[in-house]
Amino acid sequence: QVQLVESGGGVVQPGRSLRLSCAASGFTFSAYAMHWVRQAPGKRLEWVTIISDDESNKYYADSVKGRFTISRDNSNNALYLQMNSLRAEDTGVYYCARAQSGGSSFIIQHWGQGTLVTVSS
Amino acid sequence: DIVMTQSPDSLAVSLGERATINCKSSQSVLSSSNNKNFLGWYQQKPRQPPKLLIYWASTRESGVPDRFSGSGSGTDFTLTISSLQIEDVAVYYCQQYYSAPITFGQGTRLEIK
Repeated sequence: QVQLVESGGGVVQPGRSLRLSCAASGFTFSAYAMHWVRQAPGKRLEWVTIISDDESNKYYADSVKGRFTISRDNSNNALYLQMNSLRAEDTGVYYCARAQSGGSSFIIQHWGQGTLVTVSS
Repeated sequence: DIVMTQSPDSLAVSLGERATINCKSSQSVLSSSNNKNFLGWYQQKPRQPPKLLIYWASTRESGVPDRFSGSGSGTDFTLTISSLQIEDVAVYYCQQYYSAPITFGQGTRLEIK
């Protein structure tokens, strides 16, 4: 079955960096677009970024553009999110998620359990 | 960005009764190229990640009970649970994927009356 396991979250000071990882299994990782979606405590879901199956296309939410970078390693079934210049408003649970095949890559079909990022001094 | 607004914010329904959640988008999410509504519904139970229930506004995801149904077109959509079960207690989110960035509604908290 599809498994997505995030890691790398923690407490970080404003202005610092953090790198999240997502280990994927149970499906052909290289065939699917992948997303990061976050959720601040008690708030709605916020889409962060998407990367195409071959890494040729990447899109970002305006709130993270220029600060966050998504990447993937198809040989190791891994997804990454490099987060720089972190702000307090970046605090939340970050979910790694897999797109649906066919149809639209923006239909988010499977989600990991999430990793908590707390930006605080 | 397309703004998604759900109503109500919270809802209490008796077991076995119908629950209805509404979602309105700030602009149409109906594509003229394929006549599909780029609208999904997700269920999030406490301390769990979201789960896809419905996509293309009315297509049920594999494994989702048939008491869940989606309807609507253009800017107005509805998620209906025909007979509420205790395991349906959750927060429900609508999502548009018509244009980037993907955006979600604020969520509707569904409880048992």
